[in-house]
Amino acid sequence: AQSVTQLGSHVSVSEGALVLLRCNYSSSVPPYLFWYVQYPNQGLQLLLKYTTGATLVKGINGFEAEFKKSETSFHLTKPSAHMSDAAEYFCAVSDPGGATNKLIFGTGTLLAVQP
Amino acid sequence: KAGVTQTPRYLIKTRGQQVTLSCSPISGHRSVSWYQQTPGQGLQFLFEYFSETQRNKGNFPGRFSGRQFSNSRSEMNVSTLELGDSALYLCASSSAIRTGPIQETQYFGPGTRLLVL
Repeated sequence: AQSVTQLGSHVSVSEGALVLLRCNYSSSVPPYLFWYVQYPNQGLQLLLKYTTGATLVKGINGFEAEFKKSETSFHLTKPSAHMSDAAEYFCAVSDPGGATNKLIFGTGTLLAVQP
Repeated sequence: KAGVTQTPRYLIKTRGQQVTLSCSPISGHRSVSWYQQTPGQGLQFLFEYFSETQRNKGNFPGRFSGRQFSNSRSEMNVSTLELGDSALYLCASSSAIRTGPIQETQYFGPGTRLLVL
């Protein structure tokens, strides 16, 4: 069965500092991987996704993530945090072999950005 | 294109009642998935519909049901509401232009926040 672990339910950084949100997955087959962001009282917005090909994936708002199969990780980074990045971030995995769009989500990481 | 819309946005019900939530996908999208989000359990998959057929179901009791119409709009129903059903219910749509091993990008609506008293 697939699962996702997000280390750190709360992360606080200073504006301009590096953002690093950690995600590890468990899957019997190479999965598809996603990062979503949720702002208060809103739905989820896709930041980026990895399906196949290049392991370094660039997304919106300056975020990127690297798929590391040997470490079963898909950590999200941004070189310089902005106040507007404060939100909750979810890592998700899906089974590329299944005829379904089902996503399995991690428990989320709440990112705070201090001025 | 208009995004995924969900109605109503907020809902208050009492235990034992039933509720129906509606989701209108992005025009042209044929796949609709539903998720429940709670502080304790996080985001959990409820079910997915594609071309009016349920093609996957999460681990929820039979009180949770759904359907999809020919125009791809979807509804989910929860009968005999319990306090624990209080949650944000999110709908997501994707184009899913073909069946088989696929992972189309899913676009989420703003959700319906249900409070059960």
